[in-house]
Amino acid sequence: NAGVTQTPKFRILKIGQSMTLQCAQDMNHNYMYWYRQDPGMGLKLIYYSVGAGITDKGEVPNGYNVSRSTTEDFPLRLELAAPSQTSVYFCASSPGTVGQPQHFGDGTRLSIL
Amino acid sequence: GENVEQHPSTLSVQEGDSAVIKCTYSDSASNYFPWYKQELGKGPQLIIDIRSNVGEKKDQRIAVTLNKTAKHFSLHITETQPEDSAVYFCAASKGTNAGGTSYGKLTFGQGTILTVHP
Repeated sequence: NAGVTQTPKFRILKIGQSMTLQCAQDMNHNYMYWYRQDPGMGLKLIYYSVGAGITDKGEVPNGYNVSRSTTEDFPLRLELAAPSQTSVYFCASSPGTVGQPQHFGDGTRLSIL
Repeated sequence: GENVEQHPSTLSVQEGDSAVIKCTYSDSASNYFPWYKQELGKGPQLIIDIRSNVGEKKDQRIAVTLNKTAKHFSLHITETQPEDSAVYFCAASKGTNAGGTSYGKLTFGQGTILTVHP
């Protein structure tokens, strides 16, 4: 059982480039989330989705976009990469029922130079 | 919005000792408090969680206590082992209440680097 799979694991971008971070889960979870983790800090919520076709902003959404066309996939898009977006990005999913925990992928480490 | 403070930021113990990590939260509506362990190069993994209708929960060497009045909760690890060395995060959530808008969103503490020396 793969759980939450994130690709790529590492990426270096130049300022102004764009890219999509992929996230897929095979647990049929309704809820999916994107977080970023900066050094010495906890995780901060970027965007989340409660089902296919439904997305909403989290705490730090500026500079990012998401879509949710299927239950399984929740890609995160960076349109114009900036140095401030250098971070480790984590995708998570949960069933959406009370008290059920979020399951995390192993992250994408992104550097913007 | 919710704010979660976690202390200490680093914790060093000898193998076999106990370790305690404390968190406070600001939103009295929060009702679900998970703890995650993050090893190097990996995503956070849930190790224990507690809901607000329970004051304490234990799973082998790990326990969590919750004081709703004071709005703080703590992780206790007994008989620590070198493999317990990792970064630990607390989090708070209003859960996935039907009709509400929380949708299980988690607010994380800043993390504690735990080192267990053999």
